[in-house]
Amino acid sequence: GEDVEQSLFLSVREGDSSVINCTYTDSSSTYLYWYKQEPGAGLQLLTYIFSNMDMKQDQRLTVLLNKKDKHLSLRIADTQTGDSAIYFCAESPYSSASKIIFGSGTRLSIRP
Amino acid sequence: SQTIHQWPATLVQPVGSPLSLECTVEGTSNPNLYWYRQAAGRGLQLLFYSVGIGQISSEVPQNLSASRPQDRQFILSSKKLLLSDSGFYLCAWSVQTTQGRSYGYTFGSGTRLTVV
Repeated sequence: GEDVEQSLFLSVREGDSSVINCTYTDSSSTYLYWYKQEPGAGLQLLTYIFSNMDMKQDQRLTVLLNKKDKHLSLRIADTQTGDSAIYFCAESPYSSASKIIFGSGTRLSIRP
Repeated sequence: SQTIHQWPATLVQPVGSPLSLECTVEGTSNPNLYWYRQAAGRGLQLLFYSVGIGQISSEVPQNLSASRPQDRQFILSSKKLLLSDSGFYLCAWSVQTTQGRSYGYTFGSGTRLTVV
């Protein structure tokens, strides 16, 4: 079946790195995504990684993909207060060509 | 550039009243369209998706229905709202490849529905 799991909460100190983890079940997934949702707003695509890649870096964001363990992570360097949000992991499974499956979201809070 | 519009932003409706939420996409053709619901503090639940005009797939049995009368218009409806229909409703679109696959969603800003 298709399932994406994430921890619900993460708290980090401002300036530290945040690492948000995700596991997925469909090994045929072609794309894996990270979305950010600020309070009361829609979801914003942060970054994505194609399944034949191990790592992708985009400024403060680093995505790591371990296909063997079906594990995806998002690292945010130098976490700022503006990074406070809910972060959703999502996969595009080959078996469901028109759908993207989302995790339940990880709420990232920043403490001073 | 492509844009997605969703309205209204907030809505308070009494139990038993009808519902109509509208979503339109500009700047693209033949998109995949989606309706999601997000209950308070929880993840996203896919309600409906559409790969073309008049083609609607329902993911969960419920009190809601969806329609796609035009290529870039997606409507979420209910004849009689229930308290449990309260939530944050998000419309999204994605590119549809020639193989029928979808990648990357762009979301609307959402509609917060409160049923009282």
